[in-house]
Amino acid sequence: AQTVTQSQPEMSVQEAETVTLSCTYDTSESNYYLFWYKQPPSRQMILVIRQEAYKQQNATENRFSVNFQKAAKSFSLKISDSQLGDTAMYFCAFGAQGGSEKLVFGKGTKLTVNP
Amino acid sequence: KAGVTQTPRYLIKTRGQQVTLSCSPISGHRSVSWYQQTPGQGLQFLFEYFSETQRNKGNFPGRFSGRQFSNSRSEMNVSTLELGDSALYLCASSLLAENTGELFFGEGSRLTVL
Repeated sequence: AQTVTQSQPEMSVQEAETVTLSCTYDTSESNYYLFWYKQPPSRQMILVIRQEAYKQQNATENRFSVNFQKAAKSFSLKISDSQLGDTAMYFCAFGAQGGSEKLVFGKGTKLTVNP
Repeated sequence: KAGVTQTPRYLIKTRGQQVTLSCSPISGHRSVSWYQQTPGQGLQFLFEYFSETQRNKGNFPGRFSGRQFSNSRSEMNVSTLELGDSALYLCASSLLAENTGELFFGEGSRLTVL
């Protein structure tokens, strides 16, 4: 069974600064995806960034980038130039490739961006 | 393109009652998954449906059930409600053909059991 661990229940950052959210996972699968999802207060969860395990290059989406360390089973999210709208719960998630769309989520990190 | 639509958004039930939640996926999406979100347990997978068949099921008691219709709309049912069933129930759809693993979530149905 897969597990996803987010060790930082809460974090805060000043507007325009950079913050890194940590995530580790455990799996015996060889083909899988990793995701960061964002859930703003009282709003729906949306995908922030996605990484295929077979790709060595770290995924980047505008101000969001990941540091994927496959051997260490680590998948951290870096948010650059933080904005007030980045305030949300961030969930790291694991999905095995093929056969099912089941995701295993971490407990989440509550990020607050302060003005 | 309309997103994932869940109804009702909020509901209050009492112990012992049953509840049915509905989910309409994004047009063209054939896979629908359900998750339970609570402060203590986080997001937990309930089940996934594809082409009206349950493909995967999480570790929940038989009181939790679901189904999918030919138009990909899905419902989940919880019978004999318990206080611990109070949660946000999230539905997510995906376009399996792309095999990206990406889920698109609805806003959820918040169930309170008194």
